[in-house]
Amino acid sequence: DAKTTQPPSMDCAEGRAANLPCNHSTISGNEYVYWYRQIHSQGPQYIIHGLKNNETNEMASLIITEDRKSSTLILPHATLRDTAVYYCIVRVGRGENQGGKLIFGQGTELSVKP
Amino acid sequence: EAQVTQNPRYLITVTGKKLTVTCSQNMNHEYMSWYRQDPGLGLRQIYYSMNVEVTDKGDVPEGYKVSRKEKRNFPLILESPSPNQTSLYFCASRDRGSSGANVLTFGAGSRLTVL
Repeated sequence: DAKTTQPPSMDCAEGRAANLPCNHSTISGNEYVYWYRQIHSQGPQYIIHGLKNNETNEMASLIITEDRKSSTLILPHATLRDTAVYYCIVRVGRGENQGGKLIFGQGTELSVKP
Repeated sequence: EAQVTQNPRYLITVTGKKLTVTCSQNMNHEYMSWYRQDPGLGLRQIYYSMNVEVTDKGDVPEGYKVSRKEKRNFPLILESPSPNQTSLYFCASRDRGSSGANVLTFGAGSRLTVL
């Protein structure tokens, strides 16, 4: 699996956009980029995923560079409830346990401040 | 509401006393998995199940058993718990998103302490 690198922590002011970077320089062509978050020991929550194109849903936007070696998760208007650990994971999309066995690293601890 | 339900949420037990953590999902997912989370180690997969009666080991299966007799249930069994199994446990099931990627839905977690 491609390794991901994220900053250990970030701060963001409430109401501002939070931009969380992730490097995955060894990503292969069939690997998706997933983002999950975990709010204080709750179960991880799926946010968004993408393969090549930028993606947007009701929670966030995912920007993937053209060479796919890095990506950015954007929370457009961060709130205090977005304070959490955010995990960037690269994994194949299909087949056996591969898609389900997501490897959660240390992630980025995002603190949204008033 | 689509969800993964784990019970108990909190449990304190003693070494050697068998216990079962139940996991149930109402989304008709074929794939289910157990993870444990420990400080500094992230989430590590214990066991997974691709379908009914099909289970396989994850990265840290020692000391655990699972069964998958029904599609919705995937209990985690600790036959003889030891203090090193004190951890936060998560059950998850897999959806297949429209893009073909796989998305996990996690339960709320079960915090287990073995004395």
